[in-house]
Amino acid sequence: DAGVIQSPRHEVTEMGQEVTLRCKPISGHDYLFWYRQTMMRGLELLIYFNNNVPIDDSGMPEDRFSAKMPNASFSTLKIQPSEPRDSAVYFCASRGQGIVNYGYTFGSGTRLTVV
Amino acid sequence: KNEVEQSPQNLTAQEGEFITINCSYSVGISALHWLQQHPGGGIVSLFMLSSGKKKHGRLIATINIQEKHSSLHITASHPRDSAVYICAVYSYYGGATNKLIFGTGTLLAVQP
Repeated sequence: DAGVIQSPRHEVTEMGQEVTLRCKPISGHDYLFWYRQTMMRGLELLIYFNNNVPIDDSGMPEDRFSAKMPNASFSTLKIQPSEPRDSAVYFCASRGQGIVNYGYTFGSGTRLTVV
Repeated sequence: KNEVEQSPQNLTAQEGEFITINCSYSVGISALHWLQQHPGGGIVSLFMLSSGKKKHGRLIATINIQEKHSSLHITASHPRDSAVYICAVYSYYGGATNKLIFGTGTLLAVQP
């Protein structure tokens, strides 16, 4: 398995533009998580899905952020409009059922810079 | 006070030294992760523990559920071990055991 695949690896965009981050989880994993990492706040959970259904989006900062998982092999995190304070590394992670038996696998992250 | 505390926050060691990073948590947990992140890099899960001890190569992780404490040990440290090590716990948090609570990380620098 190629692991959790995120794209793009780097994104530089201007304030006000729409940004879409993509994630392909490991095949067979039932849970998908979106995290944001900044120097100030460390890793923060934004939203997670179970079997393609959003379970907890309480970490989504505001209405400018939205996430979808149209099928088991693809998820997007969209920011519209983007702001400089959204600059961070965004990680996607997936895992299977059963906490004890299945660890997390993280993607390589998308480094977003909003100028 | 953070629910997951790590110590030390920064650690510099000489190549070959034995290294210990500690993690204490204040919530009930079902499992604990040790994660590794190299500068500018992705996050790798090193261990997931719910009890006892696990070993992988030069890395050893232990957990004491009663004391709410875990340690990550690196034997015969090498410069390539230089990274941020993050402790994260699955908390029984209102039933949402799928959420990880992260420590602030320990920045390790191993000098040749």
